[in-house]
Amino acid sequence: KAGVTQTPRYLIKTRGQQVTLSCSPISGHRSVSWYQQTPGQGLQFLFEYFSETQRNKGNFPGRFSGRQFSNSRSEMNVSTLELGDSALYLCASSPGGSGWIYEQYFGPGTRLTVT
Amino acid sequence: DQQVKQNSPSLSVQEGRISILNCDYTNSMFDYFLWYKKYPAEGPTFLISISSIKDKNEDGRFTVFLNKSAKHLSLHIVPSQPGDSAVYFCAARVVGGGADGLTFGKGTHLIIQP
Repeated sequence: KAGVTQTPRYLIKTRGQQVTLSCSPISGHRSVSWYQQTPGQGLQFLFEYFSETQRNKGNFPGRFSGRQFSNSRSEMNVSTLELGDSALYLCASSPGGSGWIYEQYFGPGTRLTVT
Repeated sequence: DQQVKQNSPSLSVQEGRISILNCDYTNSMFDYFLWYKKYPAEGPTFLISISSIKDKNEDGRFTVFLNKSAKHLSLHIVPSQPGDSAVYFCAARVVGGGADGLTFGKGTHLIIQP
């Protein structure tokens, strides 16, 4: 089974621009979560999508948004980029389903650098 | 407010000895705990998990212990091998919350010395 894939792997953007990152979950997985990893804050939860619906959102400003498609692929968007948005953005997939806990499987991440 | 804390940023252990990584949490609603291992330039890889109804879970060289009254868990690696050198993250989530993402600690960098 192919793992979680994220594109692009590396990205350099300028402050004020916007960016879209893509995630393809493991086949059959319906839940996709996004995390931001920075040296100072560690891994922080951004949001989770299940069956095209955002089920929960972490404590990030509205500049961070996402969506999920019918094939479970997900995108996240960051608008009006700030220098502090430079981070590794990780996507994780799991089978999902309410009432159950599944281990999440992470992709390799997209390294975003904002200059 | 950091709900999951890994107080040791790094830990150095000799090859063949036991590695013990510690994690404390403050949210009593956490009911399921996981350990992830991360190599540079890769995403975290799931290692082992434990539900709050247990106090121990073992998988090969890896054992996780949970002390719910102390809100403390630990990961034991025996014997430690060079390939175990990585950053280890403790994570927690609320069972039945359905929508909550994992809450991670900031990680402990384990270095296995030959």
